Amino acid sequence: DTEVTQTPKHLVMGMTNKKSLKCEQHMGHRAMYWYKQKAKKPPELMFVYSYEKLSINESVPSRFSPECPNSSLLNLHLHALQPEDSALYLCASSRQGAKSYNEQFFGPGTRLTVL
Amino acid sequence: AQTVTQSQPEMSVQEAETVTLSCTYDTSESDYYLFWYKQPPSRQMILVIRQEAYKQQNATENRFSVNFQKAAKSFSLKISDSQLGDAAMYFCAYRSPLTQGGSEKLVFGKGTKLTVNP
Repeated sequence: DTEVTQTPKHLVMGMTNKKSLKCEQHMGHRAMYWYKQKAKKPPELMFVYSYEKLSINESVPSRFSPECPNSSLLNLHLHALQPEDSALYLCASSRQGAKSYNEQFFGPGTRLTVL
Repeated sequence: AQTVTQSQPEMSVQEAETVTLSCTYDTSESDYYLFWYKQPPSRQMILVIRQEAYKQQNATENRFSVNFQKAAKSFSLKISDSQLGDAAMYFCAYRSPLTQGGSEKLVFGKGTKLTVNP
């Protein structure tokens, strides 16, 4: 299995809603990532989990709350979002290893619209 | 901090022809990893090709090859025999090695939109 899956594919939410995005991989990767991507722009890193611990938080607002319950699963909890948070949210995973490419495998993304 | 520059926001190529996408980067590190990712419209981002800086030989993957010029800090992607399915946004990316205090963070260029004309 060389796939990163994300659910849901599309999500529309109001500014007062609470929702969660889910990401799953079964490649044995121990690093998992959340990115935000606006149209025609490169992905912007939000969070990195390494061995289920948060290793990088790119100064993301607290209305985004990541969670890594186990080595295969990554969640992104959303609360009180703003319309400017509308974007494609990508999950990725990679191996961990000091002497390795550790290339990232991306999921198909969740298209989020905040009304 | 490292930066990646893709100077061509858009490129087009005729089907079956060859096209080269440019990427330059700025770094003071001697060892690092470079990647080209492809993101078709409304589809998943996938890795096209990768290169480790200490390897002098240019990477190739079927119709995709790179011209890696370490001294010039250049990492261009050549697509031969272009196909309609090659139409996508292409991102060049840089990563520091973990052994040199780097993190898993990828530094992306702004991307080049490739159109393939039939």
